[in-house]
Amino acid sequence: DGGITQSPKYLFRKEGQNVTLSCEQNLNHDAMYWYRQDPGQGLRLIYYSQIVNDFQKGDIAEGYSVSREKKESFPLTVTSAQKNPTAFYLCASGRDSGPGELFFGEGSRLTVL
Amino acid sequence: AQSVTQLDSQVPVFEEAPVELRCNYSSSVSVYLFWYVQYPNQGLQLLLKYLSGSTLVKGINGFEAEFNKSQTSFHLRKPSVHISDTAEYFCAVSYLYGGATNKLIFGTGTLLAVQP
Repeated sequence: DGGITQSPKYLFRKEGQNVTLSCEQNLNHDAMYWYRQDPGQGLRLIYYSQIVNDFQKGDIAEGYSVSREKKESFPLTVTSAQKNPTAFYLCASGRDSGPGELFFGEGSRLTVL
Repeated sequence: AQSVTQLDSQVPVFEEAPVELRCNYSSSVSVYLFWYVQYPNQGLQLLLKYLSGSTLVKGINGFEAEFNKSQTSFHLRKPSVHISDTAEYFCAVSYLYGGATNKLIFGTGTLLAVQP
């Protein structure tokens, strides 16, 4: 079945460590997105990519990095520069041209110890 | 700047009662509107969307929403809720600029808590 797969679902990290969250889609979508979700703040856009080998910063990109080497994959690295990394991270994909409907993965919960 | 406002952070309701979750957006251009539902520790699922045409949109699980351009609102309604409707609901909007669409902007969410 077509969909978006995020891994791992739960991740623990020590302060000062980088961690990479995986996101893979088989929907043949051009655009992919990373959102961060915190209680009471909704979803905030970290990075998005509309085409392979190109990506743009969202509203809260500081302390994060991404790559888009393949259409199907859009990994997110949470670096040690991110001051408050504990959060629920959601990956999504959608058609680049269109009304903006997004399809979401199941999310990854990162906890910094 | 474009924004989406969900005034109610939490809405408690008894089972089988009707419910309305409110959503307002800021806009001076054409928009597309969405409601998503999120169950605990899961991703978001699309409930319904307004792209054009009839202002009353029907979605999954018996939900519907009405687009009101003059009031810039897109409230979500269900005539009779079930315990299983307990979840967080997000309103989202994408803005149409000169034929191209922008990324989705989400509201802060409304937790629907259905009580027996």
